[in-house]
Amino acid sequence: AQKITQTQPGMFVQEKEAVTLDCTYDTSDPSYGLFWYKQPSSGEMIFLIYQGSYDQQNATEGRYSLNFQKARKSANLVISASQLGDSAMYFCAMREGPKGYQKVTFGTGTKLQVIP
Amino acid sequence: GAVVSQHPSRVICKSGTSVKIECRSLDFQATTMFWYRQFPKQSLMLMATSNEGSKATYEQGVEKDKFLINHASLTLSTLTVTSAHPEDSSFYICSASIPPGNTIYFGEGSWLTVV
Repeated sequence: AQKITQTQPGMFVQEKEAVTLDCTYDTSDPSYGLFWYKQPSSGEMIFLIYQGSYDQQNATEGRYSLNFQKARKSANLVISASQLGDSAMYFCAMREGPKGYQKVTFGTGTKLQVIP
Repeated sequence: GAVVSQHPSRVICKSGTSVKIECRSLDFQATTMFWYRQFPKQSLMLMATSNEGSKATYEQGVEKDKFLINHASLTLSTLTVTSAHPEDSSFYICSASIPPGNTIYFGEGSWLTVV
């Protein structure tokens, strides 16, 4: 079974509008972490936001916010006021496992294109 | 600034030769580093978990004799692709987490082309 599922291979959004990128996860660990990364065409992985499984509030980082719904096992990324520079691949990832033996797995990604 | 540095960013090697990729953590000690491989337009696939001072833990299907990982110090992990073949051409990227693990930083990645 997929650990991380991103069902949107591609998304378009108008500049200055908000967009939601979907991510669902599957784990039996009570303690885990969820990440979102941006990967432009250059290949680098840019950390955007983190949500811990025990965090009570949804994480926010500037224009990025994470809509964490634990019961649904979803961790959608919301980008507000989209900019042309936001066009990139976006990956959802999950860290799980006992301390010292943790690993991070990635979803298949969503290609976001911002339209002027 | 970068907290994880990877070198080289691009390398071309001849089929049958070996190539080494370095991953360094800057300004912090990384007891664990991760190595990923990414094919064009695909996701990152975890290859192995590199633990300082011990053998790497390889994911199922990854040949440990072909992809040698060494984590000799708390700031350096290396991936050596041995007897490289054209099908090994890919983007390789490493990562390390800053305790307590809420942030995982990636290196710049290395594009390997085997000709």
